[in-house]
Amino acid sequence: SAVISQKPSRDICQRGTSLTIQCQVDSQVTMMFWYRQQPGQSLTLIATANQGSEATYESGFVIDKFPISRPNLTFSTLTVSNMSPEDSSIYLCSVEDRGTDPYEQYFGPGTRLTVT
Amino acid sequence: AQKVTQAQTEISVVEKEDVTLDCVYETRDTTYYLFWYKQPPSGELVFLIRRNSFDEQNEISGRYSWNFQKSTSSFNFTITASQVVDSAVYFCALSEANSASKIIFGSGTRLSIRP
Repeated sequence: SAVISQKPSRDICQRGTSLTIQCQVDSQVTMMFWYRQQPGQSLTLIATANQGSEATYESGFVIDKFPISRPNLTFSTLTVSNMSPEDSSIYLCSVEDRGTDPYEQYFGPGTRLTVT
Repeated sequence: AQKVTQAQTEISVVEKEDVTLDCVYETRDTTYYLFWYKQPPSGELVFLIRRNSFDEQNEISGRYSWNFQKSTSSFNFTITASQVVDSAVYFCALSEANSASKIIFGSGTRLSIRP
């Protein structure tokens, strides 16, 4: 199974600043995903990141607020820009492992962000 | 539109009891995938099972079992002889074949197992 690490694991940031979250996978994967989990809530997909192309954002999420990079098949970053307290959430990176049958989807440990 | 409903917000049972977590889904696709994930207090999301829409066979894995009923659009999860370590939030989820693996999550059921 794919092993995913995220940095930082948690952070406390001030309003108006930006934070970049890193996601590293131990194997090459085509598709990576970024999810947000607001406190006490379910997970919501922010965007899909494929290597070599621009990320595809879900309704309600825009590139200016959540720019994403995908420089290679094992790494991606998500930036939360101009943060406000409403951005306080857990941000999770996910990958689909197409080496298994059926495909399995794995999640990173998450980055717990608190905006003050 | 696709949707996953977990009507049970919280469930609390005594250890060793059996417990069933309900999941009802909506989709217009004929090909889709259903998932269950566990999120323990530590926060990580643990993959439990993935089922495709053409496979209605029930699945058993140790104390865990899943009942997939297309006729009622349900994919329920039963834990037999529950243990305190089963305490977690459980999410049911759906992805459609034409949605590039985008997963739609239910709101989750918080399960507490009392010793």
